[in-house]
Amino acid sequence: GAGVSQSPSNKVTEKGKDVELRCDPISGHTALYWYRQSLGQGLEFLIYFQGNSAPDKSGLPSDRFSAERTGGSVSTLTIQRTQQEDSAVYLCASSLLAGGNEQFFGPGTRLTVL
Amino acid sequence: SQQGEEDPQALSIQEGENATMNCSYKTSINNLQWYRQNSGRGLVHLILIRSNEREKHSGRLRVTLDTSKKSSSLLITASRAADTASYFCATPTSGGSYIPTFGRGTSLIVHP
Repeated sequence: GAGVSQSPSNKVTEKGKDVELRCDPISGHTALYWYRQSLGQGLEFLIYFQGNSAPDKSGLPSDRFSAERTGGSVSTLTIQRTQQEDSAVYLCASSLLAGGNEQFFGPGTRLTVL
Repeated sequence: SQQGEEDPQALSIQEGENATMNCSYKTSINNLQWYRQNSGRGLVHLILIRSNEREKHSGRLRVTLDTSKKSSSLLITASRAADTASYFCATPTSGGSYIPTFGRGTSLIVHP
C-alpha cells in the first residue's frame, strides 16, 4: 500500500519568504508527527497530531512555525518569514495509534533558505 | 531536550564483522524503538522492544534492553555493505506523552 508521502521533495526559497510543506499520511493512521533534521543531527520534534485532539505544539521553535491537519488526514507545515537557520530536512511520520507505536516516515522535504 | 543518545557517534567496520550500537536514555519508558536512515531522508523502523522485554531478535538484528541501566543495544551480525546507514533509537518523551524522540544517531559504515 501507499506509504507516507511529502511534497515538495526539495524547496529552495529566499530569506523572508513563506513556505508550505505537505504531508500525506498513511490512510487510517490517527497520529501524525513533524520533525526536522539539520545536517548531521538527530531528529528534532516539532508538532504532533492525534485524532481530533488539540495538537502538541511544544516542539515548534518559534511562532513563525505552524501546522494544520485537515480532516484528520493531510497536514501542512507552514514556515513564515523563513530564516537561513530554518534550512533542514523536514520529516513527517504517521502511526496507526499513539502511545509509542511504530512510526512510518515520509521521504522528507529538504528546505534550503538562501 | 533529547531523551535518548546513541553511542558511538560513528562506527566503521569490515563486511562480515558485527556492529554494536548503544542507546542511553534518561527517564522511564514503556518501549524503545530502533530506526535506520539512509542518505539523510526518511527513517525505516527496525524493531520495537517493550519495557518488560530484555531481548528481541529480527533477522540479523538483536536488541537488548536494560531498564535498570536505562540503556539498549543494537547488534547487527555478519554486517553487509548495504547496512551502511545511520541508526537511531527512539524513546517516548518524559511525562508519558508517548511522542518518540530521537538521539543524534550512530553513523555506521561497512566496508566491502
